[in-house]
This record gives sequence, structure tokens and C-alpha cells, in this order.
Amino acid sequence: AQKVTQAQTEISVVEKEDVTLDCVYETRDTTYYLFWYKQPPSGELVFLIRRNSFDEQNEISGRYSWNFQKSTSSFNFTITASQVVDSAVYFCALSEFPSNTGKLIFGQGTTLQVKP
Amino acid sequence: DTGVSQNPRHKITKRGQNVTFRCDPISEHNRLYWYRQTLGQGPEFLTYFQNEAQLEKSRLLSDRFSAERPKGSFSTLEIQRTEQGDSAMYLCASSFDGTGSRELFFGEGSRLTVL
Repeated sequence: AQKVTQAQTEISVVEKEDVTLDCVYETRDTTYYLFWYKQPPSGELVFLIRRNSFDEQNEISGRYSWNFQKSTSSFNFTITASQVVDSAVYFCALSEFPSNTGKLIFGQGTTLQVKP
Repeated sequence: DTGVSQNPRHKITKRGQNVTFRCDPISEHNRLYWYRQTLGQGPEFLTYFQNEAQLEKSRLLSDRFSAERPKGSFSTLEIQRTEQGDSAMYLCASSFDGTGSRELFFGEGSRLTVL
């Protein structure tokens, strides 16, 4: 069965610290997509990144970077020089490609608090 | 360019009452999804539509729940005879997709409190 695990329930850092959010997934599919979403207090899930299972290159977007390692079934997210505005709940999600539904399976989420 | 719109944003109801939520997806999106999110948990899939056809329903969607998307545009999610366990955030998302590879665009959700 497909599953996404975010073992860190809450993380608290001081502004300007680097922080890594862990994501481990399980799937039998050879083709799949992984996602990260941010959920600020307003409630709307904001898309951050999509990565397919054939592309293991790490990606950097400004202060955000993602490390995809198929060997360990992990897709970790690092925020460099964190800011108070980064405070939110972050979700990792998995899409089952062969089923073609497009539905996402979410992890439990990690609440990040960045203190000034 | 408007995003996914949901209303009402908040609904407080008494146990046993019926409630209905509406979702207006991004206009060119053919797929529409409903998710439920309880406190401290990630969103859980409930059902999805491709155009007006409801193609999958989760076992989480009991027979008290019904969703429609009559003209392939907006969708409604109705909960009949609400129970306290139905209290949650109901999220709607849409995408223009046929492969499962695209991100979903989410609305801000409709929060239901059943007293």
C-alpha cells in the first residue's frame, strides 16, 4: 500500500537557522510523483514542488531545496536561513501514477515554527 | 485568474442536521477532488470527478455523504444527518490532468463544526 510518513510532528527554530523536514514514502509503483505543500494558518494548501520518480536530481528554489533519494525512499525538504513567514504546516504527498486518478496521499504534516 | 473557491468557509450545525458545501474550481480544470482534514492530520481523499463523472469514492465516504458535479463545473458535497465525527475541514482541489502528474490547486476549505 502507498504511504507517506513525516516523522517530525513539530519543529521549532530561530530565524536564520536552516531546517530540514523529513519525508519517507512507500509505494510498489515504479512510476510516481512526489509533492510538497505548505499550509499557512489561512488553510489553503500551497503547492511548492513536484518531482517524478525518474528524476533524482536535487532541486533548489531560492531558500528552498529538496533532496530526493530513491534508495532510501525519502524526499526531504530544507529551508535555508528560515524566516518567520515560513511558519506553517508542511505536507509531503505521493501520487499514484499508474492509477491515473491524480489523487494525492498525504503525510501527517510537520508544523514548523520559526521564532524571531 | 481566480483560484479554487469554497463556501461557506465555516459552518456550525447541530447533530442530525444536513449541510452542503460548494466548490468552484479553476475554470479550465477538468478534475475536481474532495478531501477531509482533521486536526493535526494530513488531508484524506474522499472522492474525485473528471468533468461530471464521479470516478472514485473513498471508503471514508459513508452513505450519508454525497457529492455531485452536475455540469462539470462547480461541485457540491452534502452531508446528511451530521455526526460529531464529521467535524473537520473539507478541502476542494482541482487540476487539469489526465496523467496524475500535475499538482492539485486547493481552496481554503470549509470548516464544519457539529455540536
